[in-house]
Amino acid sequence: EAQVTQNPRYLITVTGKKLTVTCSQNMNHEYMSWYRQDPGLGLRQIYYSMNVEVTDKGDVPEGYKVSRKEKRNFPLILESPSPNQTSLYFCASSRRTDVATNEKLFFGSGTQLSVL
Amino acid sequence: GQQLNQSPQSMFIQEGEDVSMNCTSSSIFNTWLWYKQDPGEGPVLLIALYKAGELTSNGRLTAQFGITRKDSFLNISASIPSDVGIYFCAGCHAGGTSYGKLTFGQGTILTVHP
Repeated sequence: EAQVTQNPRYLITVTGKKLTVTCSQNMNHEYMSWYRQDPGLGLRQIYYSMNVEVTDKGDVPEGYKVSRKEKRNFPLILESPSPNQTSLYFCASSRRTDVATNEKLFFGSGTQLSVL
Repeated sequence: GQQLNQSPQSMFIQEGEDVSMNCTSSSIFNTWLWYKQDPGEGPVLLIALYKAGELTSNGRLTAQFGITRKDSFLNISASIPSDVGIYFCAGCHAGGTSYGKLTFGQGTILTVHP
């Protein structure tokens, strides 16, 4: 089944304890990205990747790192999490990087992170 | 990124009623997308619009790309309980069509009472 898989689904941690949220897609997609969803703010892009070894900052990259060493994986790293990073995180991928190609953006089921 | 203003923020309606929500921008957009997020899931694409004035339907859903290219609306006719969720508009402003430049609205939370 074609899908974007995020792990874990729920995570509670403490301030300053490094964590990684994994994202994997099995559709050989070029484009992958990370979003955070907060009430009243919608979805805001953190980082995105056009292809292997190519990553770019989105609108809210501060406090996050990513890597794209393989096409299928795009982990999100929080080196020193803080309470303001408590949020619902979504990974997404698409076969092409261009919205106008009519290739859909597929989202994972989300990771709810709480930083105490 | 570019700001999108989506309204209303929330709607409480009775089953069978029609629903309308819209998205506006201060700058020109060249693509408008509408997504639905079911509780506990990621957003799923409903409708994509690529040309000013374009009107597209998907079952009971109809969306339009505004002539000014600064707005879009989504209508849902004869709502049913499974329409419950958060609806997001998203768009790429003029000058770029990359998913990396996709901006989302704040979302409209829809509740449908049986």
